[in-house]
Parts: sequence; C-alpha cells; structure tokens
Amino acid sequence: QSVLTQPPSASGTPGQRVTISCSGSSSNIGSNSVDWFQQVPGTAPKLLIYSNNQRPSGVPDRFSGSKSGTSASLAISGLQSEDGADYYCAVRDDSLSAWVFGGGTKLTVL
Amino acid sequence: EVHLVESGGGLVQPGGSLRLSCAASGFTFSRFWMNWVRQAPGKGLEWVANIKEDGSMKYYVDSVKGRFTISRDNAKNSLYLQMNSLRADDTAVYYCATWGATTYWGQGTLVTVSS
Repeated sequence: QSVLTQPPSASGTPGQRVTISCSGSSSNIGSNSVDWFQQVPGTAPKLLIYSNNQRPSGVPDRFSGSKSGTSASLAISGLQSEDGADYYCAVRDDSLSAWVFGGGTKLTVL
Repeated sequence: EVHLVESGGGLVQPGGSLRLSCAASGFTFSRFWMNWVRQAPGKGLEWVANIKEDGSMKYYVDSVKGRFTISRDNAKNSLYLQMNSLRADDTAVYYCATWGATTYWGQGTLVTVSS
C-alpha cells in the first residue's frame, strides 16, 4: 500500500488525451516536487517529468505534468501506440525521510 | 556516453548477504545524489536508499533499515549496496539511478532470495 495513490489502469485511443492522477498528502506532494516515470515492462524506467512540470531533454511535449495541493497529474496528449506502458509518480516524503513511488498505472492504447 | 552498470546480483539463501555495485562512467559521478530502486517480479517500483554527493547523508526505506547499507567511492565512480539478513521479499531487480534535470539509470541486477 503506497502512500501515493494512482489508478491501477487507464486507457485511450490513438490521438486522445489521457490523464493519470497521483494523490498524496501534505508531507509528500504538498511539500515537494513530483517526478513521473514511464516504464516499458522488462526495461529500466524513463524519467518523463521532473519538478512537477519540467521535461528532460528528448521527452516530447505531448507529455506534461501539473500539481495542485496534495495531488499531481500527468497528461499525455495525441496518444500514440508506443505510449502503452506503466507510469509512476515519485516524490520525497518529509515525514518518512524517504522517497516514495506511486503504485503505478498501466496505460493501454486501444 | 553515459553508463551505469550494476553487478553483484544472484541467488542467495534467506539470511544471507550480497553486495551490489554500480559502476558509473561518462558523467561526473561525484556531483550527483545516487539512488537504489528495486522492483519485485510483477510489482511496482520501490525506492530503497540514496546517498548524497559526498556520502555525508544517507536515507533508507523503513523495510531495509538496519539490514542494508548504501555507500559510494567517488574516486572509483562507484555506488554500492551492502545487503545483509536478506529475506524472500527482497527478491527484485535492483537499479542504481539518479534523476532530476539530469537522469541516468542502470539496466538493473536481479537479486533472488530463496532456499
């Protein structure tokens, strides 16, 4: 049971916009910046968003992040088949003095 | 080209020990906080531990406190994870990584704890 709550699954059709939520508390999302990772099964995670809404070099601008209060969201616009993967939010929790990951959301492109 | 290469994984009996290593190249290792992140088979990501650039600060997930020790040798561009008193639920792929404006991940090394 993660301290960050993500929906276990999400889906969309090519071209659609999909959002994935990440709910936390005042000690984690409410106090610190959120990062988002994409993971294709069998491969290492890839950083998509850091510091709530910043994209590393090479990440398409179809991916965007936002944060409000104790929740954060990852939005994917212009959904493509290769976006089918697992997505994780991550943030430092001040109460735990530790980083925490959300449970992950499996995105299916229909 | 940047590389993070983990090694030291394998099969170990419950109660046993392993030392994971992560060799870094292609970037200034000493300038980055470094993390160990694990993923049990079919499960999500779990942060395990991290260490400050100079090794002066270390943090651990509660489930490994007192059993695992993270360390680094900046002269050798290497990160380590000493794992003692291993349990079945420590079975996972272990990744070394740093992330933020700059992000690097290794390919992972599998640790299997089983009798």
